[in-house]
Amino acid sequence: AQKITQTQPGMFVQEKEAVTLDCTYDTSDQSYGLFWYKQPSSGEMIFLIYQGSYDEQNATEGRYSLNFQKARKSANLVISASQLGDSAMYFCAMREGKDTGRRALTFGSGTRLQVQP
Amino acid sequence: DGGITQSPKYLFRKEGQNVTLSCEQNLNHDAMYWYRQDPGQGLRLIYYSQIVNDFQKGDIAEGYSVSREKKESFPLTVTSAQKNPTAFYLCASSTLAGAMETQYFGPGTRLLVL
Repeated sequence: AQKITQTQPGMFVQEKEAVTLDCTYDTSDQSYGLFWYKQPSSGEMIFLIYQGSYDEQNATEGRYSLNFQKARKSANLVISASQLGDSAMYFCAMREGKDTGRRALTFGSGTRLQVQP
Repeated sequence: DGGITQSPKYLFRKEGQNVTLSCEQNLNHDAMYWYRQDPGQGLRLIYYSQIVNDFQKGDIAEGYSVSREKKESFPLTVTSAQKNPTAFYLCASSTLAGAMETQYFGPGTRLLVL
């Protein structure tokens, strides 16, 4: 089974509007971390936001917020007031707490966001 | 400026040739990682290292080798045994500070087979 599922291959949003990118995850761990990265056409992965499984409040970083619904195992990224520079691939990733040795991230397949003027 | 550098940006490999991708970080991070990204897909872990002179295989290590002789350097060699090496390779590093440690990535190397 996929550990990270991103069901939206592509999304369009009008400039200045908000957009939600979906992410569901699968883990039996109680302790885990969820991450969102942005990958522009240049290829570099840019860290956006982090949510810990024990965090009671949704994480926010500027225009980015993470809508964390633990019971539903979802960690959707919300981008408010979209800008043309937000056009990129967006990846959801997870690190499971039991994986203390490897500590690597498991990535979803990504969502391509295009912001239209 | 602290960060992760990867070189070269583009690399061409001939059949039967080994090539080495460079990754250097000046963030004083203990852990370093190599990921592979194929078109339209997410990242998959090749190798990782948490300490100098120690490294572990990831999910797709076959046909690759690494070394970790210095804390700041983690080069990846793509050997001739890797039959489908064309991909985008990303190096990352992180602290070992607990659950919320964040991985930071370099700009990547695009490998093409001639």
